[in-house]
Amino acid sequence: EPEVTQTPSHQVTQMGQEVILRCVPISNHLYFYWYRQILGQKVEFLVSFYNNEISEKSEIFDDQFSVERPDGSNFTLKIRSTKLEDSAMYFCASKKGLNTEAFFGQGTRLTVV
Amino acid sequence: ELKVEQNPLFLSMQEGKNYTIYCNYSTTSDRLYWYRQDPGKSLESLFVLLSNGAVKQEGRLMASLDTKARLSTLHITAAVHDLSATYFCAVDSNTGNQFYFGTGTSLTVIP
Repeated sequence: EPEVTQTPSHQVTQMGQEVILRCVPISNHLYFYWYRQILGQKVEFLVSFYNNEISEKSEIFDDQFSVERPDGSNFTLKIRSTKLEDSAMYFCASKKGLNTEAFFGQGTRLTVV
Repeated sequence: ELKVEQNPLFLSMQEGKNYTIYCNYSTTSDRLYWYRQDPGKSLESLFVLLSNGAVKQEGRLMASLDTKARLSTLHITAAVHDLSATYFCAVDSNTGNQFYFGTGTSLTVIP
């Protein structure tokens, strides 16, 4: 069964360092998302991406964040200068169409020290 | 911003009992999803509800959507331990560019 894959599963980084979280969405899906979940809290929207551009972004998604779909299969989230409060589980998701459910990857646990 | 509230936040129930989780949202939407999350794991899609009056059932879980009341319910019938998890509802924005998650309901089924 097709699935969304994310790498790495766990990333530890020092405050101020750049990180890139990688996702491979399901191949025939058109809509891509990044969400994050701070431990034990709700799932928060970061950004959505369609037709090679950002569709919508939240207040969390400031200038330190960027997304890219460099090669038609990968979908990456970059955090330029990580802060302690960026520590969370980051989930990538993809949808085939607007009226379908989103499939989530297994997540990348980011720990900023 | 669309607000999504679930209640209860925590639910402890005995095996064999029935219970309902409620999901209320603040603006009009006719697309709502239910997800299950086990501790430390990803979000598993349970139900997709795309119209007013939609009802879906899978095993001991049944979900419904009332878009006029802006309410969805997830009903658990004869709970078993394997259903212990956190359940989230998520509501599509009108643009379809994002979906907003509820606060989650942490369900523990006690033998």
